[in-house]
Amino acid sequence: QAVLTQPPSVSAAAGQQVTISCSGGASNVGMHFVSWYQQFPGTAPKLLIYDNSQRPSEIPDRFSGSKSGTSATLGITGLQPGDEAHYYCGTWDTGLRAGVFGGGTKVTVL
Amino acid sequence: QVHLEQSGPEMKPPGASAKVSCKASGYIFVDFDMAWVRQAPGQGLEWVGWVSSNSDDKRYASHLQDRITLTIDSSTNTANMELRSLTSGDTAVYYCARTPRGTSTLYGHWGQGTRVSVSS
Repeated sequence: QAVLTQPPSVSAAAGQQVTISCSGGASNVGMHFVSWYQQFPGTAPKLLIYDNSQRPSEIPDRFSGSKSGTSATLGITGLQPGDEAHYYCGTWDTGLRAGVFGGGTKVTVL
Repeated sequence: QVHLEQSGPEMKPPGASAKVSCKASGYIFVDFDMAWVRQAPGQGLEWVGWVSSNSDDKRYASHLQDRITLTIDSSTNTANMELRSLTSGDTAVYYCARTPRGTSTLYGHWGQGTRVSVSS
């Protein structure tokens, strides 16, 4: 049972946009920066967003992140077939004194 | 460029120990901490623990803390994970990940993963 809650799956047509929510609590999302990861089968996760909304230089601006209160959101615009992957949010939890992740969201491009 | 090279797959019987190493290159090793994350087959990411670059600070997932040890060998730029008293529930791919902030999940670089299989 993941500490952070994500929808199991989202889908949209190529060229459209999707948003993935990440819901937590006061001791995690509400207090700490959120990161987002993209993972393809059989490979290590890749950092997409850090510190709620910052993108590593190599990540296209089609990917965006935001946070409000105890929820964070990953947005993907101009959806491409290559965006089909699992996406995870993560943050620190002060109460648990540990890192925590969401259960992951499978993005499908129709 | 930054590279984290992990050791090879391990197959262990229940009750045994698994040791996974993560050799870093391409950056100043002591400038970053190392975290460990695992992923059971078909499951999501699970935070395992974190060790500071100088080994002064460590955090472990509460349900693993009695069985896990994370260490740093700065002479070889290597981070190590040992997990003892293995059960089938420990079967997973274990990743090391570099982080500038231990109390975060900001993992910009990951190792390729090491598969640990526990079976009799």
